[in-house]
Amino acid sequence: QLQLQESGPGLVKPSGTLSLTCSVSGDSISSTTSFWGWIRQAPGKGLEWIGYIYYSGSTYYNPSLKSRVTISVDTSNNQFSLKLSSVTAADTAVYFCARHVGTYSIDYWGQGTLVTVSS
Amino acid sequence: DIQMTQSPSSLSASVGDRVTITCRASQGIRNDLGWYQQKPGKAPKRLIYAASNLQSGVPSRFSGSGSGTQFTLTISSLQPEDFATYYCLQHNSYPFTFGPGTKVDIK
Repeated sequence: QLQLQESGPGLVKPSGTLSLTCSVSGDSISSTTSFWGWIRQAPGKGLEWIGYIYYSGSTYYNPSLKSRVTISVDTSNNQFSLKLSSVTAADTAVYFCARHVGTYSIDYWGQGTLVTVSS
Repeated sequence: DIQMTQSPSSLSASVGDRVTITCRASQGIRNDLGWYQQKPGKAPKRLIYAASNLQSGVPSRFSGSGSGTQFTLTISSLQPEDFATYYCLQHNSYPFTFGPGTKVDIK
């Protein structure tokens, strides 16, 4: 059974960098059929797709966040990570990691972690 | 970006009711669409993939249909555990985009 678990600071100061890691179990992050992504949900709002990475390091980012986002992969630890720079209160959200399969459908999600941007 | 709209934005229904939620894409997305159920404080759960395929383990009262720009999620007989918010996701064109959600609550 695939499991994804987000970890990282729950509080980030404005203008700082949000950093999260997703630990994957039950599948290899080096799988040739999977892409590994991030999605966020502001409190009481809908879902926003942030981007994804392939095990080779190939990425695609949402243009709305592209200038501030970096997604990286650590195949040795079966993890991938999200960095979002220059954060503001608008970046306060629950951040989910997820697996994309097939024609990029999302089939599994982590439980999500709330990140609050505040001084 | 492909814009996804959902209707209705919310609905009230009773246990046993048939419920239909519609998702429309601003341009054709073939059948590259999934439906997700989200309960408060939880991650979304995939119900339907490729517009009409039932995710393993999901009750058969859920079904999906459509292709191109118009898609439908149907719950044939609403159960107490189905009260939740439902989202569609298009993964045909970048950036992938979600519908705004449909909240289903108890009448």
